[in-house]
Amino acid sequence: AQKITQTQPGMFVQEKEAVTLDCTYDTSDQSYGLFWYKQPSSGEMIFLIYQGSYDEQNATEGRYSLNFQKARKSANLVISASQLGDSAMYFCAMRETGNQFYFGTGTSLTVIP
Amino acid sequence: NAGVTQTPKFQVLKTGQSMTLQCAQDMNHEYMSWYRQDPGMGLRLIHYSVGAGITDQGEVPNGYNVSRSTTEDFPLRLLSAAPSQTSVYFCASSYAGLSYGYTFGSGTRLTVV
Repeated sequence: AQKITQTQPGMFVQEKEAVTLDCTYDTSDQSYGLFWYKQPSSGEMIFLIYQGSYDEQNATEGRYSLNFQKARKSANLVISASQLGDSAMYFCAMRETGNQFYFGTGTSLTVIP
Repeated sequence: NAGVTQTPKFQVLKTGQSMTLQCAQDMNHEYMSWYRQDPGMGLRLIHYSVGAGITDQGEVPNGYNVSRSTTEDFPLRLLSAAPSQTSVYFCASSYAGLSYGYTFGSGTRLTVV
């Protein structure tokens, strides 16, 4: 079974609108970390946001927030007020107790002016 | 600047040639990994290390060797390059612990002809 599932290969959003990128995960660990990374067309991997499994509040970093629903094992990334520079691939990742990272296959986001 | 330094950025190899991709980090991270990224497949783990002298295989280790003689360096060796190894390779490092995400190198685009 996939540890991280991103079901949206591609997404489009109008500039200044909000967009949600879906991520579900599979783990039997009680303690784990959830991460989102951005990969622009230049290729580098940029850390965006982190959520711990015991965190009761959703993580926020500027225009990024993580909608964490533990019972549903979902960790969706919400980008508010989309900008042209948000066009990129976005990867969801999980780190389990054994320190191993698991990545999803990514979602390509295109922001339309 | 502190970070993960990966060299070279681009490389073209002939089938059967060998080469080493270099990776160095100056953040005293215990955990280092090599990934390959292919279109539609996300990031796949090749090898990883939890500390100097300790390495282990990931999801796609065949055709690659690693060593970790120091905390800072984690080179990836391609033993006999094949066209199937054409990919973008990322080195990443992290502290051990669920709340720590990866810091990625800038990637190596490898083409095997």
